[in-house]
This record gives sequence, structure tokens and C-alpha cells, in this order.
Amino acid sequence: GENVEQHPSTLSVQEGDSAVIKCTYSDSASNYFPWYKQELGKRPQLIIDIRSNVGEKKDQRIAVTLNKTAKHFSLHITETQPEDSAVYFCAASLPSGTYKYIFGTGTRLKVLA
Amino acid sequence: EAGVAQSPRYKIIEKRQSVAFWCNPISGHATLYWYQQILGQGPKLLIQFQNNGVVDDSQLPKDRFSAERLKGVDSTLKIQPAKLEDSAVYLCASSLGTSGQETQYFGPGTRLLVL
Repeated sequence: GENVEQHPSTLSVQEGDSAVIKCTYSDSASNYFPWYKQELGKRPQLIIDIRSNVGEKKDQRIAVTLNKTAKHFSLHITETQPEDSAVYFCAASLPSGTYKYIFGTGTRLKVLA
Repeated sequence: EAGVAQSPRYKIIEKRQSVAFWCNPISGHATLYWYQQILGQGPKLLIQFQNNGVVDDSQLPKDRFSAERLKGVDSTLKIQPAKLEDSAVYLCASSLGTSGQETQYFGPGTRLLVL
């Protein structure tokens, strides 16, 4: 079945530095890739998403890139701030059947002030 | 716009007891999802409804878990009897349509501890 691998599991960066989180998916037919941020004890919230017909998407300090050939996509956060500290989950949506999301295992990002 | 509502927020039970969770999705959202999130892991889909029909329950442990979405709106998830390994956060999510390329909005979750 579909599998999504996410790396690293933890990431510490200095405030102002960039952070990159990478995900790899197994089903080449996957066509939608959302990223969620989950703060401690709170619900996951969508921060950015990308569809398979697009290679890159930016929204202020965050960007996502997609390489369909290699079946991987990455989240880039620039000029990190302490409030960026959270767990980030990637997901891939299967295009057929039930269109369910398969989530990665999460990356705990710590931004050190 | 009101978000996805869930209750209770926390529940502590002993193994072999029963428990039920409730979810009210965003108004007008056709698709409703129940996820199980074990500490340190990503959410795992248990069951997906489109309106009041089940479209995916392949990862639902049907010997102990059940779910329903009457009238295509609210949903309940039940565990009977509970096991220690059921300790997790149970997240409900909803999306407007059924294309799979739409945002899923999550509720605050119900944190279950089975002793």
C-alpha cells in the first residue's frame, strides 16, 4: 500500500535560519500533498499544499517543492521564528478510490532563540 | 465559520470498558474522517464517510471499533471493549467535497487513556 516516509524526525535550528523537511511517497499516482502543523496539544492545521501539476509553491516564509520523478516533496521554512516550533506532518493523497491521506510520521521542529 | 467540534476532550477508562466519541463537522462538509494518532506518530485513518455512507474502513479494527454518521452530519466512534493499545488521540476531520484534493479540517481531538 501507499507509504510516506518523513525525515528528519527532529530538527533544531537557530532563530532566523532555514529549516527543510523532506517526504518521500511510494505511489506514483498520488497527486495532492498537504503539509500540516501541529502545536502541542492542538489540532493539525494546514499550512501549505501542492498539487502534482505544480513544481513549487510559496506563501511568505514557507514553500513546498515537488519532484514527481523522484517521488519526493519538501517543506522549506525561511527566517524561522520561535512560534514555528511544532510538529510538522506531510501527507499524500491517493487519486483513486477513496482519496484518503497517508500521513508521514512527523518532524518535531525546535527553533532556538 | 465554526470549526470541527469534538467531545469529550479527554477520557480515562479501564481496559475492557466501552467509550464513545462524538464529532460535529463543519456545516455542509460532505466527507468526514476519523483518525487515530498514537503519541509520536502521524494520524492514521480509521474510517471515512461520504455523506452517510462508509467509503473506507480498511484500517478500522471492526471487532472492537464501530462508527456511524447518521443523516450525513454528526458522527460517533465507539470502542468496545477497549484495550491498552487504544490509548491515543482520536481526531475527527471534515472536507467540503470528495475529490481528495481539498483541505481536511481537523477537530481538537479526544485524548483517550486506557488503564
